Parts: sequence; C-alpha cells; structure tokens
Amino acid sequence: RKEVEQDPGPFNVPEGATVAFNCTYSNSASQSFFWYRQDCRKEPKLLMSVYSSGNEDGRFTAQLNRASQYISLLIRDSKLSDSATYLCVVMGGTGGFKTIFGAGTRLFVKA
Amino acid sequence: DTEVTQTPKHLVMGMTNKKSLKCEQHMGHRAMYWYKQKAKKPPELMFVYSYEKLSINESVPSRFSPECPNSSLLNLHLHALQPEDSALYLCASTPVLGPTNYGYTFGSGTRLTVV
Repeated sequence: RKEVEQDPGPFNVPEGATVAFNCTYSNSASQSFFWYRQDCRKEPKLLMSVYSSGNEDGRFTAQLNRASQYISLLIRDSKLSDSATYLCVVMGGTGGFKTIFGAGTRLFVKA
Repeated sequence: DTEVTQTPKHLVMGMTNKKSLKCEQHMGHRAMYWYKQKAKKPPELMFVYSYEKLSINESVPSRFSPECPNSSLLNLHLHALQPEDSALYLCASTPVLGPTNYGYTFGSGTRLTVV
C-alpha cells in the first residue's frame, strides 16, 4: 500500500461543476496535511493547509479525518483556470523527517 | 511571485559538463530542500539542509553535490550527469525542519536537460 494515495484521475468536468478529490494516508502519526496545485511545467504552489476542523477558502474546502486517515478537497463552481494537477502532501510521522507527496490528480475543466 | 528564487530557469548540459543550480530565500527559513521531479510524477526528495547542515541525503548519486554556503543560499553542483537525470529540479524551504502548518515554499525550478 502506498503511504499516500490519491484518486488517479484525470477528472474531466464542465465549468461550474463541483469536484471532490480524496487522499488517504497510511501513517497515523502524520501531523501536517496540505493540498498543492501544480500547473504544467511549473512548481507546486500551496493551495491550502488542511485541519481537522475543516477549512474553506472561497470556492475551495479542505477536510481532514484523522480517524479514517483521509483528506479531501472540494472545488465548487469550477473555473477553466482550476485545470491543474492537485497534490496531496502529508508531513511528519515516526522515524524522523517524513514528507510524502501523493501522485497527484489531474483536473481538466472544460467550457 | 515566489519567495524562493532559483537560477537558471533552464539548463542544457552535456554529460561531461560541470554546472551548478542556485537557490536563494530571504524568509529566514532554516530548512532548505532539493527535489527532483520527472514528468507526470510527484517531486522526489534529494537533500535536506537544516541550519546549514546536511540532514538528509536520500541516497542520491555522487554526481549531485549539494552545498549550503549560508542560511539563505543552497546550491546543487552537477557533474557527469546522465540523460536520465533530465528533470525539473525544485528548491524549497520551510521555517524549520519538521511538520509545519505552512508547508513548503517552492522555487520555480530549474528545468535541466542532459544531452
């Protein structure tokens, strides 16, 4: 089992759609959780940190469920500019420094 | 606008060349990282520096040699690379080594092609 697993994608959605990405992690000692966005041939950029209480930033909502070791990202009212790869990132755990990137989920938003 | 600056943005080098990638941040971060990213793959950790000391080397071949001259600068020296080393090389920083609420700040990367 991979340490961080994401929906394989790609997701093809029309503008205005709501899309949800899921991510599971295997290390119960993980401490920090993030969603990054990466455009083609660009660097990853932090989209949101993820907290157990849930957090929202405009059209984006992130949620962490520690009991199920599950992270989600919801994008409402999708825009063409949301087309990108979304990376789930998990930090911390036993055994010293540990940061694991998910393989990423590709999103295509079409007009 | 990124707060981690990488140069050059693009680099083409021959297998016998020696070149260096540079990374600079002025956020006062004390942990800096080199990642390698191949197309359609997530970034892979290469090296971690914490307070200017090499903390982690993920079994990277010796043709890659990192250097941290001071708390703001991180270099990656390249020598005798192979075509399969062609990739996007990303520098990143965090306030300190370890879990953080802030995540990584990545530079825009150096796209390296080895011919």
